[in-house]
Amino acid sequence: EIVMTQSPGTQSVSPGERATLSCRASQSVKSDLAWYQQKPGQAPRLLIYGASTRATGIPARFSGSGSGTEFTLTISSLQSEDFAVYYCLQYNDWPPIYSFGQGTRLEIK
Amino acid sequence: QVQLVQSGAEVKKPGSSVNVSCKASGGIPKSSGISWVRQAPGQGLEWMGGIIPLFGTTNYAQKFQGRVTIVADDSRNTAYMELRSLRSEDTAVYYCALADHAGYDFKYWGQGTVVTVSS
Repeated sequence: EIVMTQSPGTQSVSPGERATLSCRASQSVKSDLAWYQQKPGQAPRLLIYGASTRATGIPARFSGSGSGTEFTLTISSLQSEDFAVYYCLQYNDWPPIYSFGQGTRLEIK
Repeated sequence: QVQLVQSGAEVKKPGSSVNVSCKASGGIPKSSGISWVRQAPGQGLEWMGGIIPLFGTTNYAQKFQGRVTIVADDSRNTAYMELRSLRSEDTAVYYCALADHAGYDFKYWGQGTVVTVSS
């Protein structure tokens, strides 16, 4: 089973600043990595898939990078609506066995 | 536009079972995969297992092997998740999630079903 580890657990950032979130896989997942945003009481929303492709309707301030075992989600200029919890998901296994990171909470500084 | 609509909240006794449904509409890709993901109060997302309706094949997280069953009824465009031998730690929001192609990322999510296990 592939273990996904996100860091930091919580990040405090001021609006307008850049946020950088990390996700590490216990073994290579190539580029089979997605990022999700979740706000309280809501289902997760897909932001990035294929490690770096923005999903439909996602603003350009969200970008993803990395491959293999190290991945990064960058939010270039934080807006108030971006304060939420972010999860990475690997989907490299076949037959499909998925695993999420434990999440990074992005809070207002 | 794909929509996933889940069944309503459940309250169950310890030791019992729960069955949650997820009805898909809006053009479901034949090659899609449907998974179940749960989230305990204040905790992260946890993948439980999934099914590829085209092949009828299922895969489960090791943690839930033997306690969960996922099936799909193609005629109703509906997937079901049964979790047995419930305990208080199973109290959570249960989501269904759909990948356009089996084994890909989850593009679509249900609204979530709250399952409370309490004596």
